[in-house]
Amino acid sequence: GAGVSQSPSNKVTEKGKDVELRCDPISGHTALYWYRQSLGQGLEFLIYFQGNSAPDKSGLPSDRFSAERTGGSVSTLTIQRTQQEDSAVYLCASSTPLAGGTGELFFGEGSRLTVL
Amino acid sequence: TQLLEQSPQFLSIQEGENLTVYCNSSSVFSSLQWYRQEPGEGPVLLVTVVTGGEVKKLKRLTFQFGDARKDSSLHITAAQPGDTGLYLCARYGQNFVFGPGTRLSVLP
Repeated sequence: GAGVSQSPSNKVTEKGKDVELRCDPISGHTALYWYRQSLGQGLEFLIYFQGNSAPDKSGLPSDRFSAERTGGSVSTLTIQRTQQEDSAVYLCASSTPLAGGTGELFFGEGSRLTVL
Repeated sequence: TQLLEQSPQFLSIQEGENLTVYCNSSSVFSSLQWYRQEPGEGPVLLVTVVTGGEVKKLKRLTFQFGDARKDSSLHITAAQPGDTGLYLCARYGQNFVFGPGTRLSVLP
């Protein structure tokens, strides 16, 4: 597809279970971002991948959260031992970075996670 | 941390009214972007502003970047129900950071 694809679109899980969220970015985009959006709130930065550089993990809220990006393309966000406060929409975005940060972020539709 | 503030947090107006929403920070931006997010979708870029004092127009939307590049405003003329959504500003530092957004509701 032409856009950023995320799966699953909806995930309901029980507290304590692990979940994996997948992001397939736009082909050729070297930058990939994960954000978390709680109900009615703004976007909380989680992690940023840029090419072959070490990812910026500064936004991950705890060591239960991790992400990887294989082959510079698909990314997986893993949440271990989920808690109810992890319930949110997880958004992935990709871009081709331009000088001065003027590159456009293209977002997927998000994965809505509900932890019971 | 270069935090972004947005105001108002919520805005509900009647169709045809004008409105302005604001984004500001204590730090200088190299550039600033405005995105709009509709329910169930990801944010979509509206505009990027780079130069202090810059004004950009997109149909009924007018974006202004402050002279000191620490603030920006978005003005909508004759708002329509289709303008309803969450308006987010974002700046690029080491990565893209978003403000908390202004949730706009335009009632028919």
